[in-house]
Amino acid sequence: GDSVTQMEGPVTLSEEAFLTINCTYTATGYPSLFWYVQYPGEGLQLLLKATKADDKGSNKGFEATYRKETTSFHLEKGSVQVSDSAVYFCALSEEGYSTLTFGKGTMLLVSP
Amino acid sequence: GAVVSQHPSWVICKSGTSVKIECRSLDFQATTMFWYRQFPKQSLMLMATSNEGSKATYEQGVEKDKFLINHASLTLSTLTVTSAHPEDSSFYICSGSGTSAYNEQFFGPGTRLTVL
Repeated sequence: GDSVTQMEGPVTLSEEAFLTINCTYTATGYPSLFWYVQYPGEGLQLLLKATKADDKGSNKGFEATYRKETTSFHLEKGSVQVSDSAVYFCALSEEGYSTLTFGKGTMLLVSP
Repeated sequence: GAVVSQHPSWVICKSGTSVKIECRSLDFQATTMFWYRQFPKQSLMLMATSNEGSKATYEQGVEKDKFLINHASLTLSTLTVTSAHPEDSSFYICSGSGTSAYNEQFFGPGTRLTVL
């Protein structure tokens, strides 16, 4: 079955540091890939997405590139802010289906 | 993006009582709605998937008689936790999916249930 593997957290960074959160996936078809962010006490918000190989999703300074050859969708940001502190979930959705498969989430803590 | 609301945002109830959580898609028609449960510091666990007007499909291990899901319209789904017990305390999140070509789900803000 489908699965998503994320690096374990928490990831602790100082403000303005570079961020990478690794995500790899296993899927039978050609899935769409997503990053969701969850701020404390809130639901999930879609951060970015990519629907086919080599697509780059980007939003709020975050980027992730759909790499089919390495089955990866790593999240990056060049300069994190304290307000980026949250839990980040990588997810996939198989082509033609709405069901999402989530990774376990990675907590990011950014200190001033 | 599309907006999904949940009500209430938090609820405290006594053991043995039932609690209903509403999930509404405010600006789109959610042909499919999903209910998730999230334990502290863990990922989302899909509980069930429901299509408007049909019975919900429950994931393995989820008690359908305990977690009643109704999806009566394209904008409203409800989750009723029957005879709640302390182990049902959790964060419940719903999401809706319309006819997006990318199968995108839009998530509600979640409901914190505490059973005393």
